[in-house]
Amino acid sequence: DSGVTQTPKHLITATGQRVTLRCSPRSGDLSVYWYQQSLDQGLQFLIQYYNGEERAKGNILERFSAQQFPDLHSELNLSSLELGDSALYFCASSPALGPAKHTQYFGPGTRLTVL
Amino acid sequence: AQSVTQLDSQVPVFEEAPVELRCNYSSSVSVYLFWYVQYPNQGLQLLLKYLSGSTLVKGINGFEAEFNKSQTSFHLRKPSVHISDTAEYFCAVSARWGSRLTFGEGTQLTVNP
Repeated sequence: DSGVTQTPKHLITATGQRVTLRCSPRSGDLSVYWYQQSLDQGLQFLIQYYNGEERAKGNILERFSAQQFPDLHSELNLSSLELGDSALYFCASSPALGPAKHTQYFGPGTRLTVL
Repeated sequence: AQSVTQLDSQVPVFEEAPVELRCNYSSSVSVYLFWYVQYPNQGLQLLLKYLSGSTLVKGINGFEAEFNKSQTSFHLRKPSVHISDTAEYFCAVSARWGSRLTFGEGTQLTVNP
């Protein structure tokens, strides 16, 4: 158990819909990262937040957005869903200080299926 | 920008045999290197990491990896595998602390009895 929690575990929805994925980082970790894992694209970085501020952006579609709240949990919002958005979405967190600061700890993921 | 190439998409081995999973990377700056393991229907678990210092890095579950700067490689090895090592293994790089991870395509290790 990495200490990172993600809800829900599974999500099935229809094209055109909007969903929200939630992530709670490890206690004390200030950075949250979102990744997408799909069969055709592999594991891809989407976006990073650090202490509530957006820090880095990767291959994140304009239909997708994220935020990190004052309690450090993060949400990834996916809208106007398409079949190709079906994937496993991972959240990871890392601490700001200490020997583990270079390590990203991954949650169990949310499997999104768009029908 | 960084890129990672895992040279084998699938590696089948017999139990108690040694295994090497190969990883090459490309980067214009110094990088940190990682190996993660993903068991079926689970998240990614860190096996080991190279930040600096000794080029031979030991990780969990008996795995080790060697950083070779001239070859830009970070191959993962285990001298004797178990059935329970069957999983997908990902090599990853990051440019600096707090930076995104760039992953390879993954290597499916299958350990047969």
